[in-house]
Amino acid sequence: EAQVTQNPRYLITVTGKKLTVTCSQNMNHEYMSWYRQDPGLGLRQIYYSMNVEVTDKGDVPEGYKVSRKEKRNFPLILESPSPNQTSLYFCASSRQGVNQPQHFGDGTRLSIL
Amino acid sequence: LAKTTQPISMDSYEGQEVNITCSHNNIATNDYITWYQQFPSQGPRFIIQGYKTKVTNEVASLFIPADRKSSTLSLPRVSLSDTAVYYCPLGAGNKLTFGGGTRVLVKP
Repeated sequence: EAQVTQNPRYLITVTGKKLTVTCSQNMNHEYMSWYRQDPGLGLRQIYYSMNVEVTDKGDVPEGYKVSRKEKRNFPLILESPSPNQTSLYFCASSRQGVNQPQHFGDGTRLSIL
Repeated sequence: LAKTTQPISMDSYEGQEVNITCSHNNIATNDYITWYQQFPSQGPRFIIQGYKTKVTNEVASLFIPADRKSSTLSLPRVSLSDTAVYYCPLGAGNKLTFGGGTRVLVKP
């Protein structure tokens, strides 16, 4: 089954403790991206990747890192999480870029205390 | 920054047609128009995509005027399960920007 898989689905952690949210897709897609969704602010793009080893900032990249060492994986790294990063996070992928339909994961709900 | 404007919310009743319009005045020549549906605590789901004129699939129709500065998603004969938030994000280079979406409530 074609899918985008995020882990973990839920995480409660404390300020400053590094964490990684993994994202994997099995569709051989080139474009992958991360979004955060907050009440009243909609979905905002954090980082995107056009292909392996090619990543770039979205609209809200501060406090996040990403890497794209393999085509299928696009982890989101919070080196020193803070409470303002408490949010619902979505990973997405598409065959090539923003003009192809995006396939979203089921989301990761992060709570930073 | 690519920007779209949609109504914040719409109410409808089962069996009616729902039309949601999205304004995207600064759409680029090579941008496609894509609509997504999102249920609470789930990722957005692709509904339909088009470039110009009219596109129809098994769940919706998309109407795009010649100037492409707006688009209208049409949901025929909605049911309670169509209650969701609908988005028409816009690309800007390689970024994708989502607006606030339209919250559609279908009543019995």
